[in-house]
Amino acid sequence: GEDVEQSLFLSVREGDSSVINCTYTDSSSTYLYWYKQEPGAGLQLLTYIFSNMDMKQDQRLTVLLNKKDKHLSLRIADTQTGDSAIYFCAESPTGRRALTFGSGTRLQVQP
Amino acid sequence: DTAVSQTPKYLVTQMGNDKSIKCEQNLGHDTMYWYKQDSKKFLKIMFSYNNKELIINETVPNRFSPKSPDKAHLNLHINSLELGDSAVYFCASSQGSNIQYFGAGTRLSVL
Repeated sequence: GEDVEQSLFLSVREGDSSVINCTYTDSSSTYLYWYKQEPGAGLQLLTYIFSNMDMKQDQRLTVLLNKKDKHLSLRIADTQTGDSAIYFCAESPTGRRALTFGSGTRLQVQP
Repeated sequence: DTAVSQTPKYLVTQMGNDKSIKCEQNLGHDTMYWYKQDSKKFLKIMFSYNNKELIINETVPNRFSPKSPDKAHLNLHINSLELGDSAVYFCASSQGSNIQYFGAGTRLSVL
């Protein structure tokens, strides 16, 4: 099957690190993605990782990929109130030109 | 310039009406998509077109008819609108199976 699972909610204090986790089932995915959706807005590509990588860092964002456990995580360092949004992980199984999304994790940042 | 643009941004209509949503991308991509986001924020692929050819057609009622006049456009026509069609519809594009870029979404409300 193509199920992507995420916890629904995460609350952190401003300045702390946030870690959003995701598990997926389709090991053929070439890329794994993190998208951000602010209230009433569209989907913004935040970052992505190629399946042959274990880690990718981009400024405050760190993506970790554990292919053995089919686990993907997004760490946001020094979380700011502007990071409050829903974060979706998504996989793109090889040969299927469509993304399978998780249910989204709502990140709430307390001042 | 917006890379993937959808019109209209908001659409409010009565049950039974027919409506269209338009999408255009200026990225030179060969593949375009329609996704539906329901009230619980769950995102699911509806259709995918590659070079104007339909390549993915999920279990979507045949009241929904996508049309791709050229590679840069993918429109979505919906006949006989129902209450359950109320959702946010996202258009996206990619070059092959590479990264997908999303439009801002069209919020459809059926009364």
